[in-house]
Amino acid sequence: QQQVKQSPQSLIVQKGGISIINCAYENTAFDYFPWYQQFPGKGPALLIAIRPDVSEKKEGRFTISFNKSAKQFSLHIMDSQPGDSATYFCAALGGSNYKLTFGKGTLLTVNP
Amino acid sequence: NAGVTQTPKFQVLKTGQSMTLQCAQDMNHNSMYWYRQDPGMGLRLIYYSASEGTTDKGEVPNGYNVSRLNKREFSLRLESAAPSQTSVYFCACNRDRGYNEQFFGPGTRLTVL
Repeated sequence: QQQVKQSPQSLIVQKGGISIINCAYENTAFDYFPWYQQFPGKGPALLIAIRPDVSEKKEGRFTISFNKSAKQFSLHIMDSQPGDSATYFCAALGGSNYKLTFGKGTLLTVNP
Repeated sequence: NAGVTQTPKFQVLKTGQSMTLQCAQDMNHNSMYWYRQDPGMGLRLIYYSASEGTTDKGEVPNGYNVSRLNKREFSLRLESAAPSQTSVYFCACNRDRGYNEQFFGPGTRLTVL
């Protein structure tokens, strides 16, 4: 049972463009939604996270949009740069087990 | 501070062999985790330890055992390796289980022939 569905699987964007990655969840007990960024050969690292009491959170060029009623959240990368090329994972946590559930990941390539 | 360290970085095993993956953290965090990453599958939790002295199964625990040796160290053991266990293994930690950042190690790439 996949509790967090992530799309697209891969994404190619031109430098300066907007990258958008979407995630949907099923478990209404989820109440913490982080995004992790992973460069080749490295472990994932937290990029940005949101709680459902707000609909949007922005940190620099990275924005999370959250739609509680639709049970969806997305990552927007503005002015995408080649250095943003990485795999991005959405995740969700909540309920009694305190375990992160990850999406399957999106491989982002930003062409120069 | 090294953060989260994992050894070895690479390992090749034959089917049926055993090995232990080591993880250590110097962040004084209470909770530690073992994940496996496979292409197109994301990160799947194998086992976790909410605090020293406790361990619990995650999503894919079959074929693995863990030991929380002390607050710093959390090892993952494959008793009889199978080709299906070929994967990249990540150890992670956070201050305590829940709503705070998990810090990941650099990973161990394991191939089982």
